[in-house]
Amino acid sequence: LLTQSPGTLSLSPGERATLSCRATQSFSGSYLAWYQQKPGQAPRLLIYGASSRATGIPDRFSGSGSGTDFTLTINRLEPEDFAVYYCQEYGGSRTFGQGTRVEIK
Amino acid sequence: EVQLLESGGGFVQPGGSLRLSCAASGLTFSSCAMSWVRQAPGEGLDWISAISGGGDSTYYADSVKGRFTISRDNSKNTLYLQMDSLRAEDTAVYHCVKGSSEVRPYYFDHWGQGTLVTVSS
Repeated sequence: LLTQSPGTLSLSPGERATLSCRATQSFSGSYLAWYQQKPGQAPRLLIYGASSRATGIPDRFSGSGSGTDFTLTINRLEPEDFAVYYCQEYGGSRTFGQGTRVEIK
Repeated sequence: EVQLLESGGGFVQPGGSLRLSCAASGLTFSSCAMSWVRQAPGEGLDWISAISGGGDSTYYADSVKGRFTISRDNSKNTLYLQMDSLRAEDTAVYHCVKGSSEVRPYYFDHWGQGTLVTVSS
């Protein structure tokens, strides 16, 4: 089970967003991915292997963590970054977290 | 450019059946594990099924095991999801998703827009 926090993050453009994803059990490897989903769109891969950016993802997105605690950081929020973010453990159950909404304050 | 185009969604009564298709292009289809991920209205992402590149291994979430069947036709670059004994709680947008490799572990590196399935009487 993956628990994301907070449920909603209200920030202004230019601020930093810090999103948490916590697993109830430590899983082997760093098989943790982050996805971004905007309204009416399919999810998009941002981060895999806990910290590797997917192709074409700006470097303001960064992932970190291991074991049971993982973090997605978005530096200097751009208007297009306001969206819902999901973490996923893909080494075992393929479970997704429930999502964190990043909204404009 | 990888493209995944789902079709086959629609309105069906509880207990009914539906078959979803996903036409893939821009990739070596037989080398890619594929999955279906669904999203109920206003809810989060829910992985439901996966299939290996060759089609010989399939996996299901407990919520759909015994009711849904995933398959693929590599000669047609097409993924399928046969959904039987549908329930109201199966109402969702169903996304076709490409795995990052043929074998586990793989993340989901390309997603289709999805097709809406509505189960209601």
